[in-house]
Amino acid sequence: DSGVTQTPKHLITATGQRVTLRCSPRSGDLSVYWYQQSLDQGLQFLIQYYNGEERAKGNILERFSAQQFPDLHSELNLSSLELGDSALYFCASSGGQGYNEQFFGPGTRLTVL
Amino acid sequence: DQQVKQNSPSLSVQEGRISILNCDYTNSMFDYFLWYKKYPAEGPTFLISISSIKDKNEDGRFTVFLNKSAKHLSLHIVPSQPGDSAVYFCAASAMGIQGAQKLVFGQGTRLTINP
Repeated sequence: DSGVTQTPKHLITATGQRVTLRCSPRSGDLSVYWYQQSLDQGLQFLIQYYNGEERAKGNILERFSAQQFPDLHSELNLSSLELGDSALYFCASSGGQGYNEQFFGPGTRLTVL
Repeated sequence: DQQVKQNSPSLSVQEGRISILNCDYTNSMFDYFLWYKKYPAEGPTFLISISSIKDKNEDGRFTVFLNKSAKHLSLHIVPSQPGDSAVYFCAASAMGIQGAQKLVFGQGTRLTINP
């Protein structure tokens, strides 16, 4: 158990819909990261937040957005969903700034029908 | 453009022997490298990391070697155990401004340890 929690574990929805994925980092960790794992793309970095502020952005679609709240939990919002958005979405957390190992949650499996 | 490559999709090793997983990278700005292990239906689990100022880091049965001139790193597992059967991901990072850090992952190598 990494200490990072994600909800829900599974999510099934239809094209065009909007969903929110939630992540709680390990106790004391200030950075939260979101990754997408699809069959053909592997693990892809989406976005990093540090203590409520956006720090780094990857290949995140404009239809996707994220935020980190004062209690440090984070939410990833996916809108206008397409079939190709079906994937595993992982949240990770790390402490402080500088190089730190990232610890991953169990993931949310999103299926868009 | 895949900046981190794991060219072996799978590897089969006998229990008790050494497992060697390889990873190549192209971006010379990468200066921190990590290995993760992943079981089905679970998130990646951190194994071991190495900074570019080192060429070797050891933790129990796991050793990571870094060859900066060749832009190559490897993970050695000795001795290999059945519980080591999993997918192993290599990841690399370059520190950005204000602590920005994103991991770039390889495609993974599926390691199978045979009894």
